[in-house]
Amino acid sequence: GAGVSQSPSNKVTEKGKDVELRCDPISGHTALYWYRQSLGQGLEFLIYFQGNSAPDKSGLPSDRFSAERTGGSVSTLTIQRTQQEDSAVYLCASSSNRRGIYSEQFFGPGTRLTVL
Amino acid sequence: GENVEQHPSTLSVQEGDSAVIKCTYSDSASNYFPWYKQELGKRPQLIIDIRSNVGEKKDQRIAVTLNKTAKHFSLHITETQPEDSAVYFCAAPSYNTGNQFYFGTGTSLTVIP
Repeated sequence: GAGVSQSPSNKVTEKGKDVELRCDPISGHTALYWYRQSLGQGLEFLIYFQGNSAPDKSGLPSDRFSAERTGGSVSTLTIQRTQQEDSAVYLCASSSNRRGIYSEQFFGPGTRLTVL
Repeated sequence: GENVEQHPSTLSVQEGDSAVIKCTYSDSASNYFPWYKQELGKRPQLIIDIRSNVGEKKDQRIAVTLNKTAKHFSLHITETQPEDSAVYFCAAPSYNTGNQFYFGTGTSLTVIP
């Protein structure tokens, strides 16, 4: 079946502009994560959605970052007033976590964001 | 919250030799420890994981060991092949702060033919 997809694959924007990144998880997966990966670095947790529960936003680096997940499926990560330090690859992952039992995270191809 | 440290950051081995990557974690409540492989320009993919109720798990040339007392887990790759060259990440969840997954900083493995 289809894996996790993300769009756009690349985004170049000017400092101060807002951007929206989209993630389509695997159908039926209740859990959805957003991560940020800077060049040569590890994955930095941003936000976690699980079913209809309130999201865990504790990893968002500032109030310029927000995310939503509509209908328990598609998720959008929004970055307002982008800064050059926001440049990174933004990865989305989904999994079939159930009641705290962790399962494999399936990652999307990522969105490479470049802020000029 | 959880703190995951990974060593070494780079590792070069001759083809056929073994490679070992180690991670330590701080949250004693963590009970799931995956390892991901990320090839250049590609997305991370799970290669093996272990839950806290076992001490070792093997899958062909790959194994993971877990020491809950010492709070560390290791990835072992035997009979390395050039296609094993990639960046490997360990991860652990944190229960204290919710549902965050903390990833190590990665190990760049190069297998020399």
